[in-house]
Amino acid sequence: AQSVTQPDARVTVSEGASLQLRCKYSYSGTPYLFWYVQYPRQGLQLLLKYYSGDPVVQGVNGFEAEFSKSNSSFHLRKASVHWSDSAVYFCVLSTGYQNFYFGKGTSLTVIP
Amino acid sequence: AQTIHQWPVAEIKAVGSPLSLGCTIKGKSSPNLYWYWQATGGTLQQLFYSITVGQVESVVQLNLSASRPKDDQFILSTEKLLLSHSGFYLCAWSPWGGGQDTQYFGPGTRLLVL
Repeated sequence: AQSVTQPDARVTVSEGASLQLRCKYSYSGTPYLFWYVQYPRQGLQLLLKYYSGDPVVQGVNGFEAEFSKSNSSFHLRKASVHWSDSAVYFCVLSTGYQNFYFGKGTSLTVIP
Repeated sequence: AQTIHQWPVAEIKAVGSPLSLGCTIKGKSSPNLYWYWQATGGTLQQLFYSITVGQVESVVQLNLSASRPKDDQFILSTEKLLLSHSGFYLCAWSPWGGGQDTQYFGPGTRLLVL
């Protein structure tokens, strides 16, 4: 069965530090992968997406993610975080056919 | 530019009462439409999707129903609310033609059932 695992429910980092949020997926076919961010009491905003090609994809606000087929992973990274990056981050798998699978989310707190 | 609206912004309802939540997408014809439910502090659960007017597919049964009466409108409803229906309801759209396309989310409706 398809699924997405975000192993870290909460991550706390200092402002200016680097960041990695982990995501593992389970799907035997070709995955379409997304990272979304949710600010408090708001809807979701797309950070980046991966369909094919270069395994490192660039997103908004300095975020990037790296796809690894061998590890079934799609980790999100940022070189230097800002306090405004504090939010909940969701990794999402689409298998096509209108089906989307969300991870449980990682709550990021950036300490000034 | 496409815009997505959800109404109401928030609701407080009694157990056993009916519910109707709405979603409208402007500036995009024939979008795929989706309903999601998010428990407080939880992940998103896809409830329904629709690829065309009058056609809705259920993904998870939560004693809710959905309808698409117009190309740009998606309605989520139930005749009898349960306490477990509390949460955050999000509507989303994606361009027609492929379930792997990016989804664009509305601002959500917060529901509290007492």
